[in-house]
Amino acid sequence: DGGITQSPKYLFRKEGQNVTLSCEQNLNHDAMYWYRQDPGQGLRLIYYSQIVNDFQKGDIAEGYSVSREKKESFPLTVTSAQKNPTAFYLCASSTTGVYGYTFGSGTRLTVV
Amino acid sequence: ELKVEQNPLFLSMQEGKNYTIYCNYSTTSDRLYWYRQDPGKSLESLFVLLSNGAVKQEGRLMASLDTKARLSTLHITAAVHDLSATYFCAVDPNAGKSTFGDGTTLTVKP
Repeated sequence: DGGITQSPKYLFRKEGQNVTLSCEQNLNHDAMYWYRQDPGQGLRLIYYSQIVNDFQKGDIAEGYSVSREKKESFPLTVTSAQKNPTAFYLCASSTTGVYGYTFGSGTRLTVV
Repeated sequence: ELKVEQNPLFLSMQEGKNYTIYCNYSTTSDRLYWYRQDPGKSLESLFVLLSNGAVKQEGRLMASLDTKARLSTLHITAAVHDLSATYFCAVDPNAGKSTFGDGTTLTVKP
């Protein structure tokens, strides 16, 4: 079955550590996105990519980095520069602008 | 800057009642999406609205889009407990990236 897979489901980060969240899709979608959701809040865009080897900053890109070396994969690194990373991270993909997003199951990141 | 506003943000209703959630947006767009999120879970797509006057229905939920008024509605008919969730609208005016509203948390009580 086609879908979008995020891993890990839960992630714990120590102060000063970089961590990488994985996002893989086999839907043959061109576009991929990373959103952050804080408790009781909406979704805020971190980064997005509409084609391989190209990506754009979203509204809250500071402290995060991404790469898009393959169409299927769009990993997100949360760097030590992100001072408040505890949140629910959602990866999504789409056929650009047509049918909306397909979301992964999310990664819940906690700073310990 | 595109702004997407949903109201109400919280809605408590009794089973069997009807209610409407509103989604207003600030920039012209022919593309609007509705999603559902259960507690602790990810989002799933409910409706894709791609033109003025579009209406989609699935079970007890019906969504509509008025691009001239920059307004979408999500109407709930004869609510049941299983509809309890948070509902998000999202607007994508440039066929590139969606901007989400803050969500409407619906609680259906017996």
